[in-house]
Amino acid sequence: EIVLTQSPGTLSLSPGERGTLSCRASQSVSSSYLAWYQQKPGQAPRLLIYGASSRATGIPDRFSGSGSGTDFTLTISRLESEDFAVYYCQQYGSSPYAFGQGTKLEIK
Amino acid sequence: EVQLVESGGVVVQPGGSLRLSCAASGFTFDDYTMHWVRQAPGKGLEWVSLINWDGRSTYYADSVKGRFTISRDNNKNSLYLQMNGLVTEDTALYYCAKDALHYYYSYMDVWGKGTTVTVSS
Repeated sequence: EIVLTQSPGTLSLSPGERGTLSCRASQSVSSSYLAWYQQKPGQAPRLLIYGASSRATGIPDRFSGSGSGTDFTLTISRLESEDFAVYYCQQYGSSPYAFGQGTKLEIK
Repeated sequence: EVQLVESGGVVVQPGGSLRLSCAASGFTFDDYTMHWVRQAPGKGLEWVSLINWDGRSTYYADSVKGRFTISRDNNKNSLYLQMNGLVTEDTALYYCAKDALHYYYSYMDVWGKGTTVTVSS
């Protein structure tokens, strides 16, 4: 069973800054089967990134994903006010298709 | 428009049973794997279960294995989650989610708004 650990737990940044979120897997994620989701209060999660680095339909290019094996990163190049939310990584290479515990991105 | 609408969430006593439903529309339901994901109050996302396009393959999180059963009715474009032996830790908002790829297990590209299950005496 793959366990995903996200860091930091909370990230405090200002609009316009660059945000870097980390997701580390307890064992290698096959074929970079890793996704990132954004969740705002009272809303369902929204898919941002799949395959570690491919943006989902309609996702702005300020969001980018990278990494392979056990270390993955979500980068938001220039934070906008609507980007402050909770972000989850998820692996879908093998069951159980676990999520990380989340990183809360808050306004500084 | 692709849409998923969950229903069936209620307050139930510990040890009780419940069946959640998810009505799908706007896509060819029987082409896709479907998932249940839950979120306890103030907590993160927890993947619960998936079922493949024809219902022949299912997978479960260890926390629900042996107590929950996922199923689908492709004629009714509906997904279900039968929940037995409920415990307080099952209290959560339960989301239905569509897999992104045809006939495969992958990430989730469409989510419903969720239905709330509360296990309490």
